[in-house]
Amino acid sequence: AQSVAQPEDQVNVAEGNPLTVKCTYSVSGNPYLFWYVQYPNRGLQFLLKYITGDNLVKGSYGFEAEFNKSQTSFHLKKPSALVSDSALYFCAVRDVDSSASKIIFGSGTRLSIRP
Amino acid sequence: ETGVTQTPRHLVMGMTNKKSLKCEQHLGHNAMYWYKQSAKKPLELMFVYSLEERVENNSVPSRFSPECPNSSHLFLHLHTLQPEDSALYLCASSQTRGPAGNTIYFGEGSWLTVV
Repeated sequence: AQSVAQPEDQVNVAEGNPLTVKCTYSVSGNPYLFWYVQYPNRGLQFLLKYITGDNLVKGSYGFEAEFNKSQTSFHLKKPSALVSDSALYFCAVRDVDSSASKIIFGSGTRLSIRP
Repeated sequence: ETGVTQTPRHLVMGMTNKKSLKCEQHLGHNAMYWYKQSAKKPLELMFVYSLEERVENNSVPSRFSPECPNSSHLFLHLHTLQPEDSALYLCASSQTRGPAGNTIYFGEGSWLTVV
């Protein structure tokens, strides 16, 4: 069975500081991992994904995520936070052998960046 | 612009009304999805269409009726809804299988309020 956990409902960071949004996952085989962002009153927007290869994945808006197989984690990071990064962030996972519809989304982490 | 367009963005309807949500994707994908996003709840997959055939129906009440006339269009017909059906309804699309993880792309959502 697949599952994904975002242990923090909310993360608060000062503008200019580095940010991390945590995600851990469980799949029976190898994972495809995704991060999405949802701004207020908008749909989910794709940020980045890990398929294979380099464990550090770079995405939109200066975000990156590091795949750690031993810790089954895929934390989202950014070196310097902006107020405009304030949004709801979703981690998602599916097994590489499953169809796209089998993706499982986490419960979301609200990121708040204070000026 | 995500390549997935939803209309209307906002809909208020009475419990005895019949209305429809429309989705159109311009990404050349062969699968389309309806998700429901309610406050304080995980993202819920409602329906999946692959190559215009419904392949998943996750125990959704019959007052929600999907229609997929072609691979670019998806509708969600609504009738005799309940106030608890008030939510953000997200349409999405992807390729069903193939290389590179088959990312799901979402529309901006349709906010539904049932009064």
